[in-house]
Amino acid sequence: GQQLNQSPQSMFIQEGEDVSMNCTSSSIFNTWLWYKQDPGEGPVLLIALYKAGELTSNGRLTAQFGITRKDSFLNISASIPSDVGIYFCAGQLHPTQEVDNRKLIWGLGTSLAVNP
Amino acid sequence: GAVVSQHPSWVICKSGTSVKIECRSLDFQATTMFWYRQFPKQSLMLMATSNEGSKATYEQGVEKDKFLINHASLTLSTLTVTSAHPEDSSFYICSALKGTGYQPQHFGDGTRLSIL
Repeated sequence: GQQLNQSPQSMFIQEGEDVSMNCTSSSIFNTWLWYKQDPGEGPVLLIALYKAGELTSNGRLTAQFGITRKDSFLNISASIPSDVGIYFCAGQLHPTQEVDNRKLIWGLGTSLAVNP
Repeated sequence: GAVVSQHPSWVICKSGTSVKIECRSLDFQATTMFWYRQFPKQSLMLMATSNEGSKATYEQGVEKDKFLINHASLTLSTLTVTSAHPEDSSFYICSALKGTGYQPQHFGDGTRLSIL
């Protein structure tokens, strides 16, 4: 099935550093979502974006919906050890006869490790 | 809030057994729920879309007779893995849509299924 191009695949950083990850696609999306998944648990919604150009923050997290509607980034500022986990981007396509826009298209994830 | 509860969180059983997994939306009604499968270090793979009061829609390659889905109420969907075999061992995750339109999916904590 279709997938988003998410990068980087993994990151190993020092506590206190800022982190940036992004997702791109050749298709136009109507929503972009960022989730975090801890081992053995389900994904938890971090930020939801609904409009092109939208910039939204959630604490130390900031995400933007690209103006072309084909990309999004997530930034984490001043990382802490509990930021460790896998971050997934996901998006909902514009609905068509062939596309069920309720479904999410997923990136492959960015694995983040933070060295205290 | 948007809390989704999944049960059981972990199950080990013998080959040939059928296993039922429950997904409940605790504080909202969900006309649509989704069932995913996730292998280690991989992204989520959509298995089927569960629609309250109607038949589930399965993704290509997913056997509907193997993975039975029932969505009999607005707060409960069940996935039954029939005659499970070791290759069915995986992490199964459900999600629920709160409302209609462009709404993010909210996830349960997943079920680790191990078939001996």
